[in-house]
Amino acid sequence: AQKITQTQPGMFVQEKEAVTLDCTYDTSDQSYGLFWYKQPSSGEMIFLIYQGSYDEQNATEGRYSLNFQKARKSANLVISASQLGDSAMYFCAMREGARSGGGADGLTFGKGTHLIIQP
Amino acid sequence: EAQVTQNPRYLITVTGKKLTVTCSQNMNHEYMSWYRQDPGLGLRQIYYSMNVEVTDKGDVPEGYKVSRKEKRNFPLILESPSPNQTSLYFCASSLYPQVLAKNIQYFGAGTRLSVL
Repeated sequence: AQKITQTQPGMFVQEKEAVTLDCTYDTSDQSYGLFWYKQPSSGEMIFLIYQGSYDEQNATEGRYSLNFQKARKSANLVISASQLGDSAMYFCAMREGARSGGGADGLTFGKGTHLIIQP
Repeated sequence: EAQVTQNPRYLITVTGKKLTVTCSQNMNHEYMSWYRQDPGLGLRQIYYSMNVEVTDKGDVPEGYKVSRKEKRNFPLILESPSPNQTSLYFCASSLYPQVLAKNIQYFGAGTRLSVL
C-alpha cells in the first residue's frame, strides 16, 4: 500500500484563484512529519511547508497553508492567490520515526501533482 | 549561502564505466541522503547516513555505494552503471536524523544521469 497518495496527477487553475492539492498518508507512527516540496521545470526541489503530527495548528508559510486533518490522515496544500510562477510539480512527503531495525528513515514521497496556472 | 551542492549536474556515460556523483553541504548537517526520481514513481531513497561513518540502505540500494568519511560530503558511487540507472538523482541533508520539529531536508539541484 502506498504511504503517500496524491490523487491529482494534473491540475489547471486560473491565475489568482486559490488551489488545493490533495495528499493522504498512511502511517502507524505517532510521531511523524509532513512536507510539501515544489519542483519547477528546472528540476530542483524546493521546500514549501512542514506540519508535525503533534502540531495543533495548521502550518502557514506566506501564500502556502497546510490543511491538516489528522483523523482523516490528510495534509492538503492550499496556495492562495495563485501566480504563474506557481506552475510546477508538487510533492507531498512524510518522514516517520525510526525503522523497526533501528536508525532513521528518509522522506517517503507521493507521485506528485503537476499544477499549471493559466493567465 | 547555505546549500547542498551536487556535481556534475548532467552526465552521460556508458554501461560498466564507474562513476561518482559528489554531494557536499555547508550547513553542518548530520543526516544526508540520496534519492532517485523516475517518471511515475516519484522519489525513492537509495542510501542515507546519520553521521560520519554511519550509512544504511534505503528503498532502492542495489547497484549503488556510498561513503561518509567527512560530515560535509556524501558521494554516490556507481561501480558498474547500467541503463536502468538512468535517472535524476538528488542529494539531501537535514540537521538531525530524527523526526523533530521542522527537521527539513534540503535538496541539491539534482544530477541527470544517462547510461547508454
